[in-house]
Amino acid sequence: KQEVTQIPAALSVPEGENLVLNCSFTDSAIYNLQWFRQDPGKGLTSLLLIQSSQREQTSGRLNASLDKSSGRSTLYIAASQPGDSATYLCAVNTGNQFYFGTGTSLTVIP
Amino acid sequence: NAGVTQTPKFQVLKTGQSMTLQCAQDMNHEYMSWYRQDPGMGLRLIHYSVGAGITDQGEVPNGYNVSRSTTEDFPLRLLSAAPSQTSVYFCASSLEPLYFYNEQFFGPGTRLTVL
Repeated sequence: KQEVTQIPAALSVPEGENLVLNCSFTDSAIYNLQWFRQDPGKGLTSLLLIQSSQREQTSGRLNASLDKSSGRSTLYIAASQPGDSATYLCAVNTGNQFYFGTGTSLTVIP
Repeated sequence: NAGVTQTPKFQVLKTGQSMTLQCAQDMNHEYMSWYRQDPGMGLRLIHYSVGAGITDQGEVPNGYNVSRSTTEDFPLRLLSAAPSQTSVYFCASSLEPLYFYNEQFFGPGTRLTVL
């Protein structure tokens, strides 16, 4: 069974800092990996989707990379802002199912 | 587009009661799914559907039933609620089955408490 791990579970950084969130998975046979943002009490908002054949995807200040062979993905956030404070979740797609990590709770301090 | 909508937002049940969580999408998406989110467990897939009339089980299907009679709607039924089903439930949809590299779009969630 696919296991997805996100480290650290919580992260606190000062505004303006660049940061990296990590996601690892145990089975490299994936179709794609998706990063989500979840605000407290809200649903999930899709940030980036990386297909298994891709190495990275970029959207604004966000850059996600994928190393399928080693079972790792990173989400890089440049010039962090207080509005980036949220929980960030990664999910891997193994066919018709997504397996989620437990998330990294990010706090950006003004 | 309203996107993915879920009702109700909050619900309290007593053990043994039944209820249906509603999910609808107006994006003509073929794939729909239900997840539950529990502290420290992440989101886990309950059931999914790749089109009207087609459903299948996910990781944690016990205690839940689904059906898909239309493209737009995918209700989740709890036949006899148990305290272990206390959770936040999310419905999601995507244009095609996930292996076609589609993004999933999520509803706002239903917070269910079973006493």
